[in-house]
Amino acid sequence: GEDVEQSLFLSVREGDSSVINCTYTDSSSTYLYWYKQEPGAGLQLLTYIFSNMDMKQDQRLTVLLNKKDKHLSLRIADTQTGDSAIYFCAESLTSSASKIIFGSGTRLSIRP
Amino acid sequence: NAGVTQTPKFRVLKTGQSMTLLCAQDMNHEYMYWYRQDPGMGLRLIHYSVGEGTTAKGEVPDGYNVSRLKKQNFLLGLESAAPSQTSVYFCASSYRAGTEAFFGQGTRLTVV
Repeated sequence: GEDVEQSLFLSVREGDSSVINCTYTDSSSTYLYWYKQEPGAGLQLLTYIFSNMDMKQDQRLTVLLNKKDKHLSLRIADTQTGDSAIYFCAESLTSSASKIIFGSGTRLSIRP
Repeated sequence: NAGVTQTPKFRVLKTGQSMTLLCAQDMNHEYMYWYRQDPGMGLRLIHYSVGEGTTAKGEVPDGYNVSRLKKQNFLLGLESAAPSQTSVYFCASSYRAGTEAFFGQGTRLTVV
């Protein structure tokens, strides 16, 4: 079946690293995404990784993919107050024409 | 550079009323999607389209209809609104399968 799971909440101290985790079930996924949603706004693509990659780094963002365990993580280094948002993990499937399946989102809050 | 535009942004309907949500994209994308977002449930795919004149059912299609008469527009219709359709609706588009999806700002619909 197609399912993407995330924990609902994460709280970190400003300046620390945030790690948001995601698990997915469909092994036919080709791309895995992280989207950010700020209050009252739509979703904005943060980064993505091809399913044949293990890691991708983009400035403060590091994405790790463990295909064997179907586990994806997003690490945000030096977390800032502007990083407060809901983060969605998503996968696109080759088995189902162009569908993108989203997790329920992780709400990241920053403590001073 | 408008991207994906949704109208209206807010709407309150009475049970049994009908309405149409409009999504327009100016990026010449083939694929368009309608999602609904409910607390703790992430985004669920209602219907999608892989090109002009085509539509397909997503995860939660009941109570909704769609049309893609022009490539740039994807309409979502509610024939007889129900309180269970109270949600935030997001439209998205992508160039082709598996590529980045661009989202509109959302439509907050309340059915009373």
